[in-house]
Amino acid sequence: EIVLTQSPGTLSLSPGERATLSCRASQSVSSSHLVWYQQKPGQAPRLLIYGASSRATGIPDRFSGSGSGTDFTLTISRLEPEDFALYYCQQYGSSSPLTFGGGTKVEIK
Amino acid sequence: QVQLQESGPGLVKPSETLSLTCTVSGGSISSYYWNWIRQPPGKGLEWIGYIHYSGSANYNPSLKSRVTMSVDTSKSQFSLKLSSVTAADTAVYYCAKWEATWNAFDIWGQGTIVTVSS
Repeated sequence: EIVLTQSPGTLSLSPGERATLSCRASQSVSSSHLVWYQQKPGQAPRLLIYGASSRATGIPDRFSGSGSGTDFTLTISRLEPEDFALYYCQQYGSSSPLTFGGGTKVEIK
Repeated sequence: QVQLQESGPGLVKPSETLSLTCTVSGGSISSYYWNWIRQPPGKGLEWIGYIHYSGSANYNPSLKSRVTMSVDTSKSQFSLKLSSVTAADTAVYYCAKWEATWNAFDIWGQGTIVTVSS
């Protein structure tokens, strides 16, 4: 099973600041199989980024994804008040069950 | 726009079987892979497995011995059964649609909380 480790666990930032979230895989993951979700309290996750770097429909361009192999990054260029939430990465591969990272909480400093 | 709605008992006794149904509306259940994902209180997400509209299924190895999924295309519903539950199975259970074009879950139900307690 591919384990995804997200860091940091919590990111304390102010609106307008840049957020950089990391997702590290225990084995190489195809970029086409790396996804990011946003989850707000009491809500289901929402698809943000697929294929490591493609924004889902309706996602603002302040969200961007990058990376390859075992290291992937989600960047929020300028935090808006609605961006303070939990973020999960997820991988899917033929040799491993689908797994999620443990999540990074982006909180208001 | 496809919408998903989970339904089922919110309380299940230990050692019994948890049963949930997800109703698909606004689109066809045919095509696509339909998934169950859970999230224990205050914790992360765990993929339980999927059922294809054809009836083929794939489960997370960690739960495989206790999971059964089924689909009823005539009712646009798919279901989850998890047997021999314990308190560790207490969680919010989500159904979700897998979009193969993006290799991602693009539509989620609102989730239903299931508590395992006597």
